[in-house]
Amino acid sequence: QVQLVQSGAEVKEPGASVKVSCKPSGYTFTDYWLHWVRQAPGQGLEWMGWIDPNSGATSSAQKFQGRVTMTRDTSIGTTYLELTALRSDDTAVYYCARGVVITDSRLFDYWGQGTLVTVSS
Amino acid sequence: DIQMTQSPSSLSASVGDRVTITCRASQSITNNLNWYQQKPGKAPKLLIYGASMLHGGVPFRFSGSGSGTAFTLTITSLQPEDFATYYCQQSYSFPRTFGQGTKVEI
Repeated sequence: QVQLVQSGAEVKEPGASVKVSCKPSGYTFTDYWLHWVRQAPGQGLEWMGWIDPNSGATSSAQKFQGRVTMTRDTSIGTTYLELTALRSDDTAVYYCARGVVITDSRLFDYWGQGTLVTVSS
Repeated sequence: DIQMTQSPSSLSASVGDRVTITCRASQSITNNLNWYQQKPGKAPKLLIYGASMLHGGVPFRFSGSGSGTAFTLTITSLQPEDFATYYCQQSYSFPRTFGQGTKVEI
């Protein structure tokens, strides 16, 4: 069965960087894009960007450009989200989600369990 | 960016009730609209895609309708496990955007 397993919780100081991993299983790693979505405490969902594990191509929301890097390691079937220059308002649960196309509809069908990143001094 | 607006932000309902949640897009997204359910401490779960297509394994009491800018999620005969927060999301263009969520409470 399809699973996306993410790395554990992180606590970082303002100005630091964090790198979250997402390791899919149950399907061919390079067949589907992976997206990153975050959720601040008590708030809604915010899309951050996508990575194509096959080509390594990425795109991120303008809000995060310059601070976010999405990469993948095909040898171990894992994708990474790195966020730099952390601020207190980056405190959130970060999710990876598999993007699929079903009859021309684009959707996120499987999600990781989430990684809590806390930014605090 | 396409803005997604849900209403209401929260609602109180009872088991067996029919519940309707509305989602409006700031511009036409044709039928590129998905609905997710999220329970506390859990990742979102896909319910409906393409505005009206039920994702596999999702109970038939969930249905979606609409196109263009106006969409609805309907839950007929609300069950105890349906108390959760529901989000709409457009997949018409990037950046993908979500509604602010509708919390369904007892």
